[in-house]
Amino acid sequence: AQKVTQAQTEISVVEKEDVTLDCVYETRDTTYYLFWYKQPPSGELVFLIRRNSFDEQNEISGRYSWNFQKSTSSFNFTITASQVVDSAVYFCALSETRGGSYIPTFGRGTSLIVHP
Amino acid sequence: DAGVIQSPRHEVTEMGQEVTLRCKPISGHDYLFWYRQTMMRGLELLIYFNNNVPIDDSGMPEDRFSAKMPNASFSTLKIQPSEPRDSAVYFCASSLGDNTEAFFGQGTRLTVV
Repeated sequence: AQKVTQAQTEISVVEKEDVTLDCVYETRDTTYYLFWYKQPPSGELVFLIRRNSFDEQNEISGRYSWNFQKSTSSFNFTITASQVVDSAVYFCALSETRGGSYIPTFGRGTSLIVHP
Repeated sequence: DAGVIQSPRHEVTEMGQEVTLRCKPISGHDYLFWYRQTMMRGLELLIYFNNNVPIDDSGMPEDRFSAKMPNASFSTLKIQPSEPRDSAVYFCASSLGDNTEAFFGQGTRLTVV
């Protein structure tokens, strides 16, 4: 079973639309960490945000916001007023204990295409 | 800091040849990860090191794959002999601690023909 499910394989929007990328995770750990990364066409993975399992406060950073809900095991990512430069593949990751350390497992990613 | 540095950026090799991928982690980071990215399987963790010691190599696909970390500033991933199905982008990443964000290198795109 997948630990991290990103059900949306590809999303296509027009510039200035809001878009939400879904992430559902599965773990038996009570302490764990969640991450979002962005992979632009150039290929490198860029860290966006980290949350621990005890902090359910939503976070906003500019046009980006994240909604963490333990009750539904979800950590969704919203981009407000999307821009062409937001076009990328976005990965959600879960760090749970593995070999004694917290090690990230990645979802399959959601490809976001923002059209001008 | 220059970030995680991987070399080469691109590698094309013939089936049966040995391939060595290299990684320099961010100075001071205690954890180093090797991931492989393919369309079929996404991002898979191959192995990780803590303080230069391999901790979990359960993701290494076969005995043809091996990884070393002789010191805190250098790691290698070797494939011998290489096969076409090994074609993928291989990422190295490092992190300060085991629950902090990992910083990724730019990846090595390996093509085995």
